Amino acid sequence: QVTLKESGPALVKPTQTLTLTCTFSGFSLTTSGMRVSWIRQPPGKALEWLGRIDWDDVKFYSTSLKTRLTISKDTSKNQVVLTVTNMDPVDTATYYCALMGNNRLSFDNWGQGTLVTVSS
Amino acid sequence: QTVVTQEPSFSVSPGGTVTLTCGLSYGSVSTSHYPSWYQQTPGQAPRTLIYSTNSRSSGVPDRFSGSILGNKAALTITGAQADDESDYYCVLYMGRGISVFGGGTKVTVL
Repeated sequence: QVTLKESGPALVKPTQTLTLTCTFSGFSLTTSGMRVSWIRQPPGKALEWLGRIDWDDVKFYSTSLKTRLTISKDTSKNQVVLTVTNMDPVDTATYYCALMGNNRLSFDNWGQGTLVTVSS
Repeated sequence: QTVVTQEPSFSVSPGGTVTLTCGLSYGSVSTSHYPSWYQQTPGQAPRTLIYSTNSRSSGVPDRFSGSILGNKAALTITGAQADDESDYYCVLYMGRGISVFGGGTKVTVL
């Protein structure tokens, strides 16, 4: 059974760096064709894809946010980490991680999400 | 900047059929965009309905179907039920590792 769970601070101050961890089970990110994406959703607004990391450590980022995002993985811990620099109130959102499995380009399994509020 | 377009809202009667679409601000959607569809109810994580244009995710009722209609991807709900009332999002793969969400469609069943 595949599970993913996001963790990290619920509140960050403007200009700070956000670090979120996605801890997963039920699959290995060393298996060919496996990918994990980060997605966010501001309150009352649409989902937004942020980026992804593939089994071979290749990373892709949203064009609009790529200068602020870094995604990494720790396969020994079954974790994927998202960092977002220079946080702003508009970055207030629920952040999700999701598995893109079996070489699919869709989000097959989702974490429950974690709400991050940016406020001084 | 690529924009993926969806209808903001749709209303359907119980038992009725509704087709939601997913387009591009320029160009046509094809199977090469690997369209996928997600259902989300308030306070919940999205649920995957359709991947790769028309493949149903495990456990998804067959009243949900995906297709390409004209120059857009489409999600059809046949025989709508009350618990289909949700927000629906499409995602298109734009190449070079980039995925883009549409703005979502709010479906009301009444």
